Amino acid sequence: QVQLKESGPGLVQPSQTLSLTCTVSGFSLTSYHVHWVRQPPGKGLEWMGVMWSDGDTSYNSALKSRLSISRDTSKSQVFLKMSSLQTEDTATYYCARERRDYFDYWGQGVMVTVSS
Amino acid sequence: EIVLTQSPTTMAASPGEKVTLTCRASSSVSYMHWYQQRSGASPKLWIYETSKLASGVPNRFSGSGSGTSYSLTINSMETEDAATYYCQQGSSYPLTFGSGTKLEIK
Repeated sequence: QVQLKESGPGLVQPSQTLSLTCTVSGFSLTSYHVHWVRQPPGKGLEWMGVMWSDGDTSYNSALKSRLSISRDTSKSQVFLKMSSLQTEDTATYYCARERRDYFDYWGQGVMVTVSS
Repeated sequence: EIVLTQSPTTMAASPGEKVTLTCRASSSVSYMHWYQQRSGASPKLWIYETSKLASGVPNRFSGSGSGTSYSLTINSMETEDAATYYCQQGSSYPLTFGSGTKLEIK
């Protein structure tokens, strides 16, 4: 069955770079787009960016200068790297599969705290 | 960027009550999608393409709307429906979500 699972550090120091991995199963990264969405504690959802099935990427312009998304299709993994982290980046980070411009499957999320 | 405004922000409903949540877009969109998020859990696809129920969603839920105005309706509120509901548009990038409606049981 379709699964997505995020992994990464729970704590990152301010100004450092966040690295997260989304490992998928039950579908191919070359057939579906995978997005990153984050949610600060007690707040709403923010779309961050997407790894298109053809290997191209698109980013939220608000984060574009700090964000990079890549993948390893052989390992069924999508990676997120975001630099210059600040306390406002404290959030739960989700990866989600897109189906016709909506998200039909979500990972469990990984909580990331930015603090010294 | 298309801004989605959900109302109300919070509401409480009694079991059996009819509930309507609204989502208004700052520009016209082709469809609206809805997600349910329970506390501590990931969002779940609930309604897609305005009116189609995701797998496993009870048929007391329905969705409707067009252009800039959309709604999610629960025909008869049940305890398990207490959650936060988010709308999302996929018509233009950046993809955007509404700020959510927290629905509580009275």
